[in-house]
Amino acid sequence: DQQVKQNSPSLSVQEGRISILNCDYTNSMFDYFLWYKKYPAEGPTFLISISSIKDKNEDGRFTVFLNKSAKHLSLHIVPSQPGDSAVYFCAAAGGSQGNLIFGKGTKLSVKP
Amino acid sequence: DAGVIQSPRHEVTEMGQEVTLRCKPISGHNSLFWYRQTMMRGLELLIYFNNNVPIDDSGMPEDRFSAKMPNASFSTLKIQPSEPRDSAVYFCASSLASASLRGYTFGSGTRLTVV
Repeated sequence: DQQVKQNSPSLSVQEGRISILNCDYTNSMFDYFLWYKKYPAEGPTFLISISSIKDKNEDGRFTVFLNKSAKHLSLHIVPSQPGDSAVYFCAAAGGSQGNLIFGKGTKLSVKP
Repeated sequence: DAGVIQSPRHEVTEMGQEVTLRCKPISGHNSLFWYRQTMMRGLELLIYFNNNVPIDDSGMPEDRFSAKMPNASFSTLKIQPSEPRDSAVYFCASSLASASLRGYTFGSGTRLTVV
């Protein structure tokens, strides 16, 4: 039973355009949500997070939106750059779940 | 800080052999996690420790897997005997708490191939 789902295995975007990565979750008790970025042959690195009491958090080109009623969050990258090409993992924790639960990831390719 | 250090980076072993993966967490972090990444299952938590004590090992696939944390600066994940289906990338991560908005810091992983 997957509590965190990333239904798009891959996404291709043109450089300069917006990238939107989506994530759905099933556990309404999750308190916070995180996005990680992973390059090949490296470990995941923390990108941005949001608390369940907020609906938006912005950090430079990266913005995370949280829609609690829909149990959905998204990561927007604008403008997208070729260096953003990586696998992006959505993660969540909270309630009885004391540790991070990850989605399966979405591979983003930004074309020059 | 050098970050989370994992060794070896790559391991190729024959089925039936014992495999030991090693992890040095970030100094001062009191939580340590072992994750496994596969194409089919993504990143799945195997076990985590708080203050060197195993808290949840429900993700450990079977008795062939064991993990220890003898002190705050070292942990091992052992597979004995190894099987081809254990082939995956194994990540160690550490954090100041079991989970927070700051997330975990991951090591670079150990790519295990069992032939």
